[in-house]
Amino acid sequence: GAVVSQHPSRVICKSGTSVKIECRSLDFQATTMFWYRQFPKKSLMLMATSNEGSKATYEQGVEKDKFLINHASLTLSTLTVTSAHPEDSSFYICSARYLLGRYNEQFFGPGTRLTVL
Amino acid sequence: GQQLNQSPQSMFIQEGEDVSMNCTSSSIFNTWLWYKQDPGEGPVLLIALYKAGELTSNGRLTAQFGITRKDSFLNISASIPSDVGIYFCAGTMGTAAGNKLTFGGGTRVLVKP
Repeated sequence: GAVVSQHPSRVICKSGTSVKIECRSLDFQATTMFWYRQFPKKSLMLMATSNEGSKATYEQGVEKDKFLINHASLTLSTLTVTSAHPEDSSFYICSARYLLGRYNEQFFGPGTRLTVL
Repeated sequence: GQQLNQSPQSMFIQEGEDVSMNCTSSSIFNTWLWYKQDPGEGPVLLIALYKAGELTSNGRLTAQFGITRKDSFLNISASIPSDVGIYFCAGTMGTAAGNKLTFGGGTRVLVKP
């Protein structure tokens, strides 16, 4: 149980285009999902907290108009990187908090590798 | 802001060895979590700790929640090649919905050449 999927796993796009990444909790409901960014050989950096049915809360320094987050249901959150540029290239990982489990256990998706040309 | 200092940053293991890594914080956490991340994958939860002093095992893994709530360690006994990867500690403060995790810098476990 507690499986989180991400789609796509890898995407290459041209500069200026927008890219949508989906995060799904497959076998549990998640009122809260989190989006992280990870640079090579670095730790995970929290970008935003996504709550079902409400606006996402962004961490300091993260542009909310650049990284649009939608949490439309208890099993789906999406991250859209708008007008992507090469500096947006990174590994993006989502996690979901298990609604009925222990408060603070987060389960992570497999990540999405974004390359902007 | 909160910071987690994780050490060592990297280590080499030989099959059969026991290895240990730890995290310390300048602030108190109510929950400590240990994750393992393989290349190109998301982190996988290994152990969750909820009480100060708690010692929890998961197979060959053992982790403890420090009594001061400011530290935690993870031990791997009798290491095997598939233990290679990056291990992250993470802490969170409260029990309310939507609590954020603060991550350590990671410990990269490599095989001795």
